[in-house]
Amino acid sequence: KAGVTQTPRYLIKTRGQQVTLSCSPISGHRSVSWYQQTPGQGLQFLFEYFSETQRNKGNFPGRFSGRQFSNSRSEMNVSTLELGDSALYLCASSNRGEGTQYFGPGTRLTVL
Amino acid sequence: GENVEQHPSTLSVQEGDSAVIKCTYSDSASNYFPWYKQELGKGPQLIIDIRSNVGEKKDQRIAVTLNKTAKHFSLHITETQPEDSAVYFCAASSGYALNFGKGTSLLVTP
Repeated sequence: KAGVTQTPRYLIKTRGQQVTLSCSPISGHRSVSWYQQTPGQGLQFLFEYFSETQRNKGNFPGRFSGRQFSNSRSEMNVSTLELGDSALYLCASSNRGEGTQYFGPGTRLTVL
Repeated sequence: GENVEQHPSTLSVQEGDSAVIKCTYSDSASNYFPWYKQELGKGPQLIIDIRSNVGEKKDQRIAVTLNKTAKHFSLHITETQPEDSAVYFCAASSGYALNFGKGTSLLVTP
């Protein structure tokens, strides 16, 4: 089976812009979770989607949002970008959401 | 919320030696404990996981132990090889979200 894919792999944006990141889960997996990874804060949970519904949300401002499509692909959006949003954004897929999660390679976002 | 502490933050061992990384967690409801290996420029790769109804699990050179009473779990890598060099993360979960430790940078020198 193909693994989790994320596009694009690298992005450079300026403050105030918005960005959309995409994630395709492992075939057959219906749960997609998003995480932010920074040197200072480590890996932090953003949100989790299952069957197009957000089931769980981490402690991030409303500028961070996401959605899931009927084919389980997911997108996350960050509006009004801030310098502190520079990070590696990781997507993980899971069969049901609870338990084993498989990560993609991530999207490296740089905000200038 | 769940708080996961991981030690040490850096670990250097000689090839062939064993490496041990320890984690503690705070939420007694946590019941799933995976370990991930992350190499430079890549996403975390699951290497082993354990659930709360099991005390120990082994997969070739890698083993994980869990002490639910003390709320700590450990990763043991035996016969380390240079390709084991990477950052290792522990995590704890009681549902959908993984709560990660800060990571351990393991260096295996030939």
